[in-house]
Amino acid sequence: AQTVTQSQPEMSVQEAETVTLSCTYDTSESDYYLFWYKQPPSRQMILVIRQEAYKQQNATENRFSVNFQKAAKSFSLKISDSQLGDAAMYFCAYRSDPLHNFGNEKLTFGTGTRLTIIP
Amino acid sequence: EAQVTQNPRYLITVTGKKLTVTCSQNMNHEYMSWYRQDPGLGLRQIYYSMNVEVTDKGDVPEGYKVSRKEKRNFPLILESPSPNQTSLYFCASSLGRGDREKLFFGSGTQLSVL
Repeated sequence: AQTVTQSQPEMSVQEAETVTLSCTYDTSESDYYLFWYKQPPSRQMILVIRQEAYKQQNATENRFSVNFQKAAKSFSLKISDSQLGDAAMYFCAYRSDPLHNFGNEKLTFGTGTRLTIIP
Repeated sequence: EAQVTQNPRYLITVTGKKLTVTCSQNMNHEYMSWYRQDPGLGLRQIYYSMNVEVTDKGDVPEGYKVSRKEKRNFPLILESPSPNQTSLYFCASSLGRGDREKLFFGSGTQLSVL
């Protein structure tokens, strides 16, 4: 079974600064997806960024980027130019590649990192 | 608008009183799933369904039932709720059939069992 570990329960960053959230995972599979989800106080689960394991290039979405280290099984999220609206709980998640694991498209989540933005 | 709709958003009940949390999607998705979120544990899968009349257990199915009689609906049933089922519940859906597209989440249902 896959596991996802987020070792930072809480983080804080000054507005406009850069912060990195850590995530490690354990799997014996070679094809999979990794995600970062944002959960603001509204509780909505918002997909921030997605990385396919077969892609060597790190995914980027505007101010959000990842550092994907497949051999180390590490998947960190970098938020640049932090804004007050970035304050939320962030979850790292793993999913087996559905083309190779047809059936349950389960996401395995980490325990989350609560990010506070300091004005 | 493509969406997953859960109801109710908040629910307070007492131990043993049967309840149903509804989930409906308007995207013709084949795959649907339920998760519960607890502090310090993240989200964990309760049940999932790959299509109509096809359901299976996730990681924490004890105390829950589901049904998939129609493609768009996937209700979560607590026959005899207990306080340890106090949690935030999410329904999610996707195209399924090995599709690589994202999972769509509902807005969540906060359940308190007294």
